Amino acid sequence: GQNIDQPTEMTATEGAIVQINCTYQTSGFNGLFWYQQHAGEAPTFLSYNVLDGLEEKGRFSSFLSRSKGYSYLLLKELQMKDSASYLCAVRLVADKLIFGTGTRLQVFP
Amino acid sequence: DVKVTQSSRYLVKRTGEKVFLECVQDMDHENMFWYRQDPGLGLRLIYFSYDVKMKEKGDIPEGYSVSREKKERFSLILESASTNQTSMYLCASSSTNYGYTFGSGTRLTVV
Repeated sequence: GQNIDQPTEMTATEGAIVQINCTYQTSGFNGLFWYQQHAGEAPTFLSYNVLDGLEEKGRFSSFLSRSKGYSYLLLKELQMKDSASYLCAVRLVADKLIFGTGTRLQVFP
Repeated sequence: DVKVTQSSRYLVKRTGEKVFLECVQDMDHENMFWYRQDPGLGLRLIYFSYDVKMKEKGDIPEGYSVSREKKERFSLILESASTNQTSMYLCASSSTNYGYTFGSGTRLTVV
């Protein structure tokens, strides 16, 4: 079966750094996505990792270790608008994309 | 910009009705997907399609069917709507060399 785990909820303070972890056990792996989703809206693309290592994009970074089945999303200099759900998703063979249940992040002033 | 358009933002239907959810993408993507999203369960794949007239079952296909007569359009059909199909439905498209783009979603309520 396919399994993707991430924490249900996290809280952080404006200006801080937060790390959202994702572990996966899947049959096949062609990359890992992170999406951001504000309440009532569609998921929007944040990052995509295919190879091991860190990908940095502005305030957001994403890390992948394929041997450990592990990824994290790092958000720096948190802003109130970063309050949202963060979805970890694994791309399987033949382009099928499966999701974890999402992590709801609340940023407080 | 790639655009994925879902025909309705909100929909209310009665139990037993046949329901059509339409999705159209404008970037000539080969692959299209239907997900439903429920609190605590995340996005779950219902059906997907790699090409016109092709369809594959996802993780929760029961109670649903799909149609893809044209490359840009992928329809989700609830043959006889039930209250447990009340959910947010999201359509997405992708191509091999491109990421996934989601529509804005259809919030379906079955009463």
